[in-house]
Amino acid sequence: GAVVSQHPSRVICKSGTSVKIECRSLDFQATTMFWYRQFPKQSLMLMATSNEGSKATYEQGVEKDKFLINHASLTLSTLTVTSAHPEDSSFYICSARDVAGLETDTQYFGPGTRLTVL
Amino acid sequence: GQNIDQPTEMTATEGAIVQINCTYQTSGFNGLFWYQQHAGEAPTFLSYNVLDGLEEKGRFSSFLSRSKGYSYLLLKELQMKDSASYLCAVLDSNYQLIWGAGTKLIIKP
Repeated sequence: GAVVSQHPSRVICKSGTSVKIECRSLDFQATTMFWYRQFPKQSLMLMATSNEGSKATYEQGVEKDKFLINHASLTLSTLTVTSAHPEDSSFYICSARDVAGLETDTQYFGPGTRLTVL
Repeated sequence: GQNIDQPTEMTATEGAIVQINCTYQTSGFNGLFWYQQHAGEAPTFLSYNVLDGLEEKGRFSSFLSRSKGYSYLLLKELQMKDSASYLCAVLDSNYQLIWGAGTKLIIKP
């Protein structure tokens, strides 16, 4: 089955530093990847849609200068949280859509990255 | 390895009841989530089970048996708007989410 990985799985950083999270589709190509933020026992909040080779589309209320997204290849998208603050502490989850899949709406989710900003 | 199994697709009739099963094999267990995802939308949280038993929330109920590595989502009085994908996900010992591939539920009139 389609596998999506994220790295790192957890990160602790000091306030003001930047953190990069990688999302990789391991056995398929993904022209579209999605970045979500999860709050405890709540729905996933879509932050942005990342398209390979073009600029990401951010959801309303998400600061694009703070959450930098790069989708440089068909198997890799990165989310950089710049100048992180404690309120950015959360569980960040990516998903990828398989370009070759019959079900074009099927997303495969990564295991998540737990960010803690001190 | 870690694995979550759920049926790929199910079909049910409006007004009926449907049960979506999820079996898991993970390194540790810190809870199981059910999400609903309509096409083109973000997954919506339905339930979280960490103890054995049935949790009822309106038309939706979720059951967990940790000893059997098994959960199900029960949907009653099905409505057309319940047509969606239902995702099962387990939080493992490292607090990483292991996702099932999702079950596409088709509701027919």
